[in-house]
Amino acid sequence: EADIYQTPRYLVIGTGKKITLECSQTMGHDKMYWYQQDPGMELHLIHYSYGVNSTEKGDLSSESTVSRIRTEHFPLTLESARPSHTSQYLCASSDQGFEQYFGPGTRLTVT
Amino acid sequence: GEDVEQSLFLSVREGDSSVINCTYTDSSSTYLYWYKQEPGAGLQLLTYIFSNMDMKQDQRLTVLLNKKDKHLSLRIADTQTGDSAIYFCAEQEGGATNKLIFGTGTLLAVQP
Repeated sequence: EADIYQTPRYLVIGTGKKITLECSQTMGHDKMYWYQQDPGMELHLIHYSYGVNSTEKGDLSSESTVSRIRTEHFPLTLESARPSHTSQYLCASSDQGFEQYFGPGTRLTVT
Repeated sequence: GEDVEQSLFLSVREGDSSVINCTYTDSSSTYLYWYKQEPGAGLQLLTYIFSNMDMKQDQRLTVLLNKKDKHLSLRIADTQTGDSAIYFCAEQEGGATNKLIFGTGTLLAVQP
């Protein structure tokens, strides 16, 4: 079973607030990913990391930022939340193999 | 760029077979995947197929790959109500990133 955790699971927050979505994995995986999943179900890669101190933008432009100071931790930050940021955010990790392990997701609602 | 397409919805009766289809565009993909997402949960890898294979069977799941047509399918035999979920196919981008390009997802509804 994959050991990848996301907190909070649900977040409702007002416009303009700064938020950080947490993602942690205990598998020692080098590669980590953030996906945004729209209500229409499609997933889009917004950030990924090869390892510590490595971050890259994904295929979908996002106003969020990420950091990778420790192998196990890959937080995503929105400096000023807007209603257009309302979505589900999924974190994943993988090692040298092919399988990506997904966390349970954070459902963000910005009012 | 790469694009992965699926039909949005499939409804079957319990006990019937389900076939979910997917088309992809990147002929250099080495692995193709099927993920399952239950309500309120993350994605769970169901099965995968290497690009030099035509078919892979794993218990009730059969994956068929037609590389010429860039077509991938997932057949679920004896579909159960617990199989109701969203199914995503994904292709792996070439290179060292392990980046996945996901399809639009197919909602499978199993009627008792």
